[in-house]
Amino acid sequence: NAGVTQTPKFQVLKTGQSMTLQCAQDMNHEYMSWYRQDPGMGLRLIHYSVGAGITDQGEVPNGYNVSRSTTEDFPLRLLSAAPSQTSVYFCASTLLAEQFFGPGTRLTVL
Amino acid sequence: AQSVTQLDSQVPVFEEAPVELRCNYSSSVSVYLFWYVQYPNQGLQLLLKYLSGSTLVKGINGFEAEFNKSQTSFHLRKPSVHISDTAEYFCAVSDYGGSQGNLIFGKGTKLSVKP
Repeated sequence: NAGVTQTPKFQVLKTGQSMTLQCAQDMNHEYMSWYRQDPGMGLRLIHYSVGAGITDQGEVPNGYNVSRSTTEDFPLRLLSAAPSQTSVYFCASTLLAEQFFGPGTRLTVL
Repeated sequence: AQSVTQLDSQVPVFEEAPVELRCNYSSSVSVYLFWYVQYPNQGLQLLLKYLSGSTLVKGINGFEAEFNKSQTSFHLRKPSVHISDTAEYFCAVSDYGGSQGNLIFGKGTKLSVKP
């Protein structure tokens, strides 16, 4: 099993650009989440999904959209990038309360 | 609402010394508790977890943690640290009565092990 995979690993955007961060898992987990990590802030939940077709907002959802058309994939979309979205983004899938994290995407918005 | 407080943002320690990283949580329901480690420029790796049962939990790399319900704490300990333990450590809580997939993280403790 590959576990949780994320692409790209690094990305630089200009303010106002849009992009999609990809996340996939091959463990057939229903529950998936997106977090952002900022220095001194820990990880904060952006959006999560309890299964295909069902998503909900976390602590910091503004500026991000998600969808869940399949169990495997949970992409995160930045609609109009802002410098405040410069961060490291982690995707995770969950089974029985244990979360499995992807390697992260480091995003810089200029 | 749940919250997690890691009481020390940085902990410097000499190699082979013992270390304790402190974590307190608040929750109105029973919880699951976790410690994750993040090495520089890497993702998060699970060190150990408390779901139920024995309050002393053993994890990887010689770490252990004790769940204390009365003090709402879940401190992480290691009797003798190595240079390779230098990393950032995150305590997290999950509400198993509600959204089981969501973790609330503390802000992290940077452990720096010096020779």
